[in-house]
Amino acid sequence: QVQLVQSGAEVKKPGASVKISCKASGYIFTNHAIQWVRQAPGQRLEWMGWINAANGNTKYSEKYQGRVAISRDTSATTAYMEVSSLRSEDTAVYYCALGTTGTGDLDYWGQGALVTVSS
Amino acid sequence: SYELTQPPSLSVSPGQTASITCSGHKLGDKYACWYQQKPGQSPVLVIYQDTKRPSGIPERFSGSNSGNTASLTISGTQAMDEGDYYCQAWDSNTVTFGGGTKLTVL
Repeated sequence: QVQLVQSGAEVKKPGASVKISCKASGYIFTNHAIQWVRQAPGQRLEWMGWINAANGNTKYSEKYQGRVAISRDTSATTAYMEVSSLRSEDTAVYYCALGTTGTGDLDYWGQGALVTVSS
Repeated sequence: SYELTQPPSLSVSPGQTASITCSGHKLGDKYACWYQQKPGQSPVLVIYQDTKRPSGIPERFSGSNSGNTASLTISGTQAMDEGDYYCQAWDSNTVTFGGGTKLTVL
C-alpha cells in the first residue's frame, strides 16, 4: 500500500534552516509528483510547492519562492523540503502528499512533521 | 493568484444534510476536490474530480461543481463527520485550498 513517512519534529531558532524528508513506498516513485503543504496552528492548509519525481522539476508558491527548496533522491524514493531563514510564523505542521489521479487532488498524505521556530 | 472561498463554520443536527460551498472564479471549469481533517490528523480526501468518492468513503458524501461554486453534501450527517473540510482546485499547475469550514454536529 502507498505510504508516505515523514521525518520527526524539529525545533529551530529564528534564522536557521530545516530540511524535512518524506519517504515514499508502495508505488513507482517516479510516476507521481510529491506536493508539500503546511498548516500553522489553528490555520488553514497552505500549498508550498511540488516536485516532479521523474525529472526533478519543481514549482513553488509565489509566497515561498526563494526561501523553499524541494528535492528528491530517486534511489532512496525520498523527497525533501528545505525551508531557510526561519521565523516564528513558520511554526507549523508540514505535510508531504501525493496525487495519483492526475487531476491535482491529493489522495495520500504523510503523517506531518511539526517544526517549531523559537528563540 | 487563484482564490477559493468557504464559509468558516456550519452546524447541523445528527441525521440532517450538511452542504458546504466553495466559490472561485470559473471553478466549474476545473476539477474540485474535498478533504476532511480531524484534530491532530492529516487531511483525508473525501471527494475528487468533483463527484467521485475514494474507496472507503461512505456514500453519504457527495459532490458537485458548476459555474463558480463547488459543493460538498453530507446526507444523514453523523457525529463522526465533525471536523474541518477544505476544498481544493488545481489551476496553472498550482494547488489552491479554500479557507476551510468547521462542521459541528450537535
